[in-house]
Amino acid sequence: DQQVKQNSPSLSVQEGRISILNCDYTNSMFDYFLWYKKYPAEGPTFLISISSIKDKNEDGRFTVFLNKSAKHLSLHIVPSQPGDSAVYFCAASGRNSGGSNYKLTFGKGTLLTVNP
Amino acid sequence: KAGVTQTPRYLIKTRGQQVTLSCSPISGHRSVSWYQQTPGQGLQFLFEYFSETQRNKGNFPGRFSGRQFSNSRSEMNVSTLELGDSALYLCASSAPGSGANVLTFGAGSRLTVL
Repeated sequence: DQQVKQNSPSLSVQEGRISILNCDYTNSMFDYFLWYKKYPAEGPTFLISISSIKDKNEDGRFTVFLNKSAKHLSLHIVPSQPGDSAVYFCAASGRNSGGSNYKLTFGKGTLLTVNP
Repeated sequence: KAGVTQTPRYLIKTRGQQVTLSCSPISGHRSVSWYQQTPGQGLQFLFEYFSETQRNKGNFPGRFSGRQFSNSRSEMNVSTLELGDSALYLCASSAPGSGANVLTFGAGSRLTVL
């Protein structure tokens, strides 16, 4: 049972345009959500996060939106740059994590390609 | 400040063998987590250690085990390797009070089982 779903395996956008990556979750116990970016031959790097008490968090070109009623979050990148080309993972954690905040449930990732 | 270091980066084993992977967390980080990444399943949580104690364990068979040492370095072991164990094994560490869930990952150890 996949609790965090990224239904688009890939996304291609033009440089300068907006990239929107989507993520859905099924477990209502999740209360913290994160996005990680991964380049080939490197480990994932933390990008941005959002607590369930918020519906938006912004950091520079990156904004994450959370819709709790729909159990949906999205990552917006504006403007997109070729260096943003990577695999983006959505992750979640919550009160069902066995007392640890560090057990993350990841989606399968979306490969973003930003074309010059 | 050095990042999370994983060794070896690449290794090839045959079915039935066992393997030990090592992880050195960022200095001062006491929590170490392990994840398995495969093309079909994405990143899946294996286990997490804090102060030499396993705090959480994922849904993997008992062939997968780990431990943490007093200096926070961690090892994971996979015994009786199967073809399906071929994967990228990622280690991550986190600082106390870092704000929940923000993990810093190493580059991973890529295991190929033949």
